[in-house]
Amino acid sequence: NAGVTQTPKFRVLKTGQSMTLLCAQDMNHEYMYWYRQDPGMGLRLIHYSVGEGTTAKGEVPDGYNVSRLKKQNFLLGLESAAPSQTSVYFCASSYVWPYEQYFGPGTRLTVT
Amino acid sequence: AQSVAQPEDQVNVAEGNPLTVKCTYSVSGNPYLFWYVQYPNRGLQFLLKYITGDNLVKGSYGFEAEFNKSQTSFHLKKPSALVSDSALYFCAVRDVEGGANNLFFGTGTRLTVIP
Repeated sequence: NAGVTQTPKFRVLKTGQSMTLLCAQDMNHEYMYWYRQDPGMGLRLIHYSVGEGTTAKGEVPDGYNVSRLKKQNFLLGLESAAPSQTSVYFCASSYVWPYEQYFGPGTRLTVT
Repeated sequence: AQSVAQPEDQVNVAEGNPLTVKCTYSVSGNPYLFWYVQYPNRGLQFLLKYITGDNLVKGSYGFEAEFNKSQTSFHLKKPSALVSDSALYFCAVRDVEGGANNLFFGTGTRLTVIP
């Protein structure tokens, strides 16, 4: 089992550029999540999904879009990157409650 | 609204000594609490959780946590610290108003175990 994988590991964007981060899990989890981690702020939930074809907003959704076309994949898109989106992005997945979340290794994104 | 607080940004402990990483919570309703650890340049790893039952929860790598309802705390403990325990530790509480198993995370506590 690879668990939760994220692509790419690192990326540098210029302001206004777009990109998509890919998350894949091979544990047949129903739920998937996207977080951002910033120094001194812990992890904040961007968007989440409770199943294939569903998405919902988390705590900090502005500037991001997501899609879950297949159960095992959860994509995070930035349509027009801003320096404030410089962060480390983590994907996670879980079974339904009361199971814990499993995290991917993260993507470090820098927007200049 | 749910929230967790980790009052210490940094905790230093000597190898072999007991360690405690503090967490307090605020929830409406039953608290569902988690501890995660993050090693450098890695994702978060689950350590343990409190859902219901015994107030002392045992988890991975010899860690345990004590749920205290009257003090609204969920402190992480280990009887004897190892250098390899040095990492960033996050406390989290389940968001009972959101969907899925959404979690609110604390800001993290960096634990350094000194040889």
